[in-house]
Amino acid sequence: ETGVTQSPTHLIKTRGQQVTLRCSSQSGHNTVSWYQQALGQGPQFIFQYYREEENGRGNFPPRFSGLQFPNYSSELNVNALELDDSALYLCASSLGVLEVGIREQYFGPGTRLTVT
Amino acid sequence: AQSVTQPDIHITVSEGASLELRCNYSYGATPYLFWYVQSPGQGLQLLLKYFSGDTLVQGIKGFEAEFKRSKSSFNLRKPSVHWSDAAEYFCAVVIFSGGYNKLIFGAGTRLAVHP
Repeated sequence: ETGVTQSPTHLIKTRGQQVTLRCSSQSGHNTVSWYQQALGQGPQFIFQYYREEENGRGNFPPRFSGLQFPNYSSELNVNALELDDSALYLCASSLGVLEVGIREQYFGPGTRLTVT
Repeated sequence: AQSVTQPDIHITVSEGASLELRCNYSYGATPYLFWYVQSPGQGLQLLLKYFSGDTLVQGIKGFEAEFKRSKSSFNLRKPSVHWSDAAEYFCAVVIFSGGYNKLIFGAGTRLAVHP
């Protein structure tokens, strides 16, 4: 049973503002991946954190940044919000870097971000 | 470039009818393929995966998928759909990128089930 949680559930921000989204990983999982899912689209890989270091990044600008803490929980920060940042943000945890996609990644329910 | 295509954006079937959701991939090597389901307010749940071996894989909730290398396809099937299967379905492939792996998803197929 997945134990990945995300907060908040929903969030409304204004263009230009900054936002922080949080993810609590499945117990024992040291790798967290973040995905952006725009309306009507599949999730797109933003970046991945392993043992508190970013170890992979998709095609997203630097204003998307993250953190992973010693307890493996994670944050996604987005600066200078744009209207196109409106999306569902998903985090997924896995047991190790090379386990991603090999063994199951557990996804959280997501945070719905609306930028007005 | 690696990609996943789901040609059907919306599919409607009657309860009890059979279902097939299409997925085509573009990937140079042997792909690791997945089907996920997403219900409203829920995260992605893994239905099944294909890594190697038997090209017909069984998953949860009565779903199965068949890998066809010659057609670059990995179609999802269910013999008899239940109303609770109404959801969005995503096909995905793992990309191995020098030190980390990531999933590339298709755009999804939204399934509606008529009683």
